[in-house]
Amino acid sequence: SQTIHQWPATLVQPVGSPLSLECTVEGTSNPNLYWYRQAAGRGLQLLFYSVGIGQISSEVPQNLSASRPQDRQFILSSKKLLLSDSGFYLCAWTSSGSTDEQFFGPGTRLTVL
Amino acid sequence: SQQGEEDPQALSIQEGENATMNCSYKTSINNLQWYRQNSGRGLVHLILIRSNEREKHSGRLRVTLDTSKKSSSLLITASRAADTASYFCATGRGAQKLVFGQGTRLTINP
Repeated sequence: SQTIHQWPATLVQPVGSPLSLECTVEGTSNPNLYWYRQAAGRGLQLLFYSVGIGQISSEVPQNLSASRPQDRQFILSSKKLLLSDSGFYLCAWTSSGSTDEQFFGPGTRLTVL
Repeated sequence: SQQGEEDPQALSIQEGENATMNCSYKTSINNLQWYRQNSGRGLVHLILIRSNEREKHSGRLRVTLDTSKKSSSLLITASRAADTASYFCATGRGAQKLVFGQGTRLTINP
């Protein structure tokens, strides 16, 4: 069966510090991978998605970047965090070429102080 | 731009009652999906309805889709306290990505 992992679960970082959030998927090959951000009490905003290694599509220009160094690994990064980067970050995957069901990780709660 | 918009934003009902949430969208879609999110957790897929379908059932869930009105509804029958969560609709348009609405916060009172 497939599983998706995210870490860390929570993170408190000072403004101006770097960020690296990691997401890994097990039990599937060549998945589509997604990074979302969710503000408190709000819906999901798609940040990046990837259909293959090294292929990244950015949805919203901002202070973040994403990379996919391996087939089942998706990393969200920032060189210098802003207060506005605080939020709940969710990683998800779906089968290649699909707009059907997405499977979500448990999320990372990021607080920038 | 936001594709799906849920209505109401918040809903509070008594246990055992039915809960109905609505979703409207703006452009043509391939499918519409409903997800559930418990507080502080990831989203869980509930049900998917394709653009050529009008109604779908899964357990206590019933979803309808009206493509002429660009709207969908999610009905949860015989609600339980454990149904307390936020519910999101998401639309798929064939670009291998979904667009999520802002969600409905459902509270079931015992």
